[in-house]
Amino acid sequence: NAGVTQTPKFQVLKTGQSMTLQCAQDMNHEYMSWYRQDPGMGLRLIHYSVGAGITDQGEVPNGYNVSRSTTEDFPLRLLSAAPSQTSVYFCASSYKLRTGSETGELFFGEGSRLTVL
Amino acid sequence: QQQVKQSPQSLIVQKGGISIINCAYENTAFDYFPWYQQFPGKGPALLIAIRPDVSEKKEGRFTISFNKSAKQFSLHIMDSQPGDSATYFCAASMPYSGGGADGLTFGKGTHLIIQP
Repeated sequence: NAGVTQTPKFQVLKTGQSMTLQCAQDMNHEYMSWYRQDPGMGLRLIHYSVGAGITDQGEVPNGYNVSRSTTEDFPLRLLSAAPSQTSVYFCASSYKLRTGSETGELFFGEGSRLTVL
Repeated sequence: QQQVKQSPQSLIVQKGGISIINCAYENTAFDYFPWYQQFPGKGPALLIAIRPDVSEKKEGRFTISFNKSAKQFSLHIMDSQPGDSATYFCAASMPYSGGGADGLTFGKGTHLIIQP
């Protein structure tokens, strides 16, 4: 199994450009999410999805859009890139979102490093 | 408001020593406490996790100690090796309540270096 696959691994944008970070998982996981990782800030949740057709905002959603048309794919869109969006982005998935006493291991992709000039 | 506070931010330990990373939380609704390990250029991966009904969990050289009354938990790495050099994140989780967050909160991470 490939697990969680992110593309591209590296990207340089100019301010105002748009782009989409791709994320695909082959584990039939219901839950998918996007995090950004910045030095000293840890992992911050951008958006997440509990299933196809359902998305919700996380801690830092401004400037990002998501959609979930299939179970496998969860793309992250930057409509007008800003230097503050320079970061490493991680997509993660889990079998399901915790709704009770069960636990859910998050499986992360290898990350997409984005630089906005 | 940071719900999970992790310290130290960075840590240097000699090979063979004990590495200790601490986390504290405020929300008593948290009921699952995982640690994630991240190597350079890779995504985080689950290392070990604990529930608050036990005070300690050990897997090989990695041990979580949990103090429910103090709302603190820590990761101990015994006989630390250069291959343990990585960033470690503590986290806390509660059952999803539909309130606009996914129920998992990460600490800010500890950059651990094990010197040969």
